[in-house]
Amino acid sequence: DADVTQTPRNRITKTGKRIMLECSQTKGHDRMYWYRQDPGLGLRLIYYSFDVKDINKGEISDGYSVSRQAQAKFSLSLESAIPNQTALYFCATSDETGLETQYFGPGTRLLVL
Amino acid sequence: SQQGEEDPQALSIQEGENATMNCSYKTSINNLQWYRQNSGRGLVHLILIRSNEREKHSGRLRVTLDTSKKSSSLLITASRAADTASYFCATDGNSGGGADGLTFGKGTHLIIQP
Repeated sequence: DADVTQTPRNRITKTGKRIMLECSQTKGHDRMYWYRQDPGLGLRLIYYSFDVKDINKGEISDGYSVSRQAQAKFSLSLESAIPNQTALYFCATSDETGLETQYFGPGTRLLVL
Repeated sequence: SQQGEEDPQALSIQEGENATMNCSYKTSINNLQWYRQNSGRGLVHLILIRSNEREKHSGRLRVTLDTSKKSSSLLITASRAADTASYFCATDGNSGGGADGLTFGKGTHLIIQP
């Protein structure tokens, strides 16, 4: 089984809808991250969490919110989706130092119409 | 803003040749990592080099780091068709000392021609 899983893998939604992307991990890591990837722009950090009680904004947090329900679960919400949030979204985890390898999920491809 | 910038943006070579990709960054770092991404899939960690290291090897991969020039290179020797992917460098955040996620470059798309 994969260490980092994301659901759904693909999602089509309409402008103004609220959607949630979910991430689960079995690596036992405290640190979890959400990134988005747009063509030609690499990955950009949306939010990150050092533990269940710690949530931090990343480079591009506007229009997004997150919830760390448990050590193993970190969800990303788009409160009112807009077309420029169409992107590939990745969840990642790392160990307590946060300075070492990050482990990525398979990604969620989101299309906002 | 992007911390790392890969060069070239795209590279096409023949199978068996060596592929070299470069990464430049802007601020101080603790380490620099290289990741591979197959089309539409998640990123996979390849190799990490710390700021006090100059060169590191892992199988067919060779990474160099020049902190004075704020640059790194990834060399893939004896390339194979399966090496076709996008390659990203990543640094440990703009502050250089925090664990607040990685900052990725835009990537080099490598194509290995059979």
